[in-house]
Order: sequence, then C-alpha cells, then structure tokens
Amino acid sequence: GAVVSQHPSRVICKSGTSVKIECRSLDFQATTMFWYRQFPKQSLMLMATSNEGSKATYEQGVEKDKFLINHASLTLSTLTVTSAHPEDSSFYICSARTGVINSPLHFGNGTRLTVT
Amino acid sequence: GQQLNQSPQSMFIQEGEDVSMNCTSSSIFNTWLWYKQDPGEGPVLLIALYKAGELTSNGRLTAQFGITRKDSFLNISASIPSDVGIYFCAGTGFQKLVFGTGTRLLVSP
Repeated sequence: GAVVSQHPSRVICKSGTSVKIECRSLDFQATTMFWYRQFPKQSLMLMATSNEGSKATYEQGVEKDKFLINHASLTLSTLTVTSAHPEDSSFYICSARTGVINSPLHFGNGTRLTVT
Repeated sequence: GQQLNQSPQSMFIQEGEDVSMNCTSSSIFNTWLWYKQDPGEGPVLLIALYKAGELTSNGRLTAQFGITRKDSFLNISASIPSDVGIYFCAGTGFQKLVFGTGTRLLVSP
C-alpha cells in the first residue's frame, strides 16, 4: 500500500526557534498533500492544503506566515513552524493522495512538537 | 474548522462483543473513510466508501455509506483487545477531508 513517511517523529525546541517537518510519499507521486494538527484527545484539524508547484491554501485561522509550507516536488512537502511558541506544541500529521479522483488519503506517522 | 458528528464518544466493551459507531454530517459527501489511530501515531485507513448505499467489509469490519450521503456507520464484530484505539470517520466532497470527532474504543479481555 501507499506509504507516507514523516520526519522527525519527535522534536523539542526552544521558544522563538523554527522547526521544519518533512513529509514524503515513498511509492507514489503526491500531487496534493495536507497538513493537519491534532491536540490531545481531539480530532485532526486541517491546517493547509499544498499542491505541487503552487502556493498552499490555508484554512481559516491558520497563519500562513507562521506555518510555512513548501511542496517543491511530487514526493516532498515541508512544514516549517516559525518562531515557535509553547502553544504551538501539538501533533502534526501530513497526508498525501495521488491525482486520481477519490483516491483515499494516506497519512504519515506524525510529528510530536514540544516547544519549551 | 468543520467537523463531523461522531458517536459514541467512547465505548468500553468486553472482548467478543460487536461494536457499532456512526458519523453524521450536515453536508453531502462523495467519499466516506474510516481510520483507526493508535496513540502517538498517524491514522491508518480501514475502509473507504465511494458510493451511496455501498456496504464494504474488511475482515471483521463493515462500513456503510448512507443513502442520503450524509452519514456512515462502522461495525466491528467479535472485538479483540488489539481493536483498542480511536476510530475516526472522515468525509470528502471534492478535495478537503473533514474528520469526525472520534470514538475511543476500549476492549476488556
């Protein structure tokens, strides 16, 4: 089955620093990738949609200057949390799908970000 | 962001029992998906439904795409301890995937 690899799985950073999270589709070309955030005991909330070669589309309330998304190739998307604050601590999960209509989303294993 | 209403919120059952959970939406969806998430990991796809009225099985799991396209249910038969986890429904109209609020399942041996 389709595999999505996310790295790192855990990261601890100091307040004010930036953190980059990578999402790779290992055995398929992902024309669209999605970034979700999940707080403890809550559901996944979509942050942004990135299409290869174009600017990401952010959901309402998500700061695009804080959460920088780059989808430069069909197999890699990155999320950079800039000037991280403790309230950014969360579980970030990427997902990817091919360009085939109705193809299901496949998820990475997530990145646990802790900002101290 | 938009979410689907999923119930029950949690269930505590005995091993061997059957389980049923459902998801409802105010919007029509073209695709319904069911995922399971273990602690500290990303969701894993269990079943995908693409057509209203469709009933699909995956081992002990059975899911249906409601005829109104606004709801779906997931059944787990003869539950086992490894069924423990959080189950999420998800629906998509064209591109964006919206998640349900989750059902936490606990199975007692």
